[in-house]
Amino acid sequence: EGQLVESGGGLVQPGGSLRLSCVVSGFISSKYWMSWVRQTPGKGLEWVANIKQDGSEENYVDSVKGRFIISRDNAKNSLYLQMNSLRGDDTAVYFCARDSKSGGYLDWGQGTLVTVSS
Amino acid sequence: DIQMTQSPSSLSASVGDRVTISCRASQGIRNDLGWYQQKPGKAPKRLIYAASSLQSGVPSRFSGSGSGTEFTLTISSLQPEDFATYYCLQHNSYPYTFGQGTKLEIK
Repeated sequence: EGQLVESGGGLVQPGGSLRLSCVVSGFISSKYWMSWVRQTPGKGLEWVANIKQDGSEENYVDSVKGRFIISRDNAKNSLYLQMNSLRGDDTAVYFCARDSKSGGYLDWGQGTLVTVSS
Repeated sequence: DIQMTQSPSSLSASVGDRVTISCRASQGIRNDLGWYQQKPGKAPKRLIYAASSLQSGVPSRFSGSGSGTEFTLTISSLQPEDFATYYCLQHNSYPYTFGQGTKLEIK
């Protein structure tokens, strides 16, 4: 079982940017797809994006397409989420997660809170 | 997008009760579904994968069934530590989607 630790959350004004990071240990991150999932009080859990092992494929939920960019640095065992043009409905706890080969997610981080407010 | 309709949204039950939570997919997803338990302030924990396979380390009172569009999570005999919120997740096609959640409360 791996460990994932997110950082980079905080308070940001609408229209601003923020970059989340997730450092993983206990497994070779380059062997797995990796994802970001967020949770808001009003909408529950929402899958945000994922990225292939070598970074050659990315997928996003429509609500963040064109604003968020997922990336990874396998040499640093790290996953990132660059969030631009932030809106109030992006306010959430953001989790990074390791895609399980059996589907879904077995390993999750503890989450980092992003608050978009003026 | 595939919509996951989870029911009920909340449920009151007693220790020892048998409870069932359902998820319906808006289109067929084979068995590409998992069930997750979440407690306040914690990340979700996977209980069931591939619709009916029990995650290692999860008590056998949890079971999953279904395929295609109809799925069920059953807890055969509720224990105090089972009071939490439960979610289904489909990973058949993008965007992956979660059910709205079922909050299981103590009666």
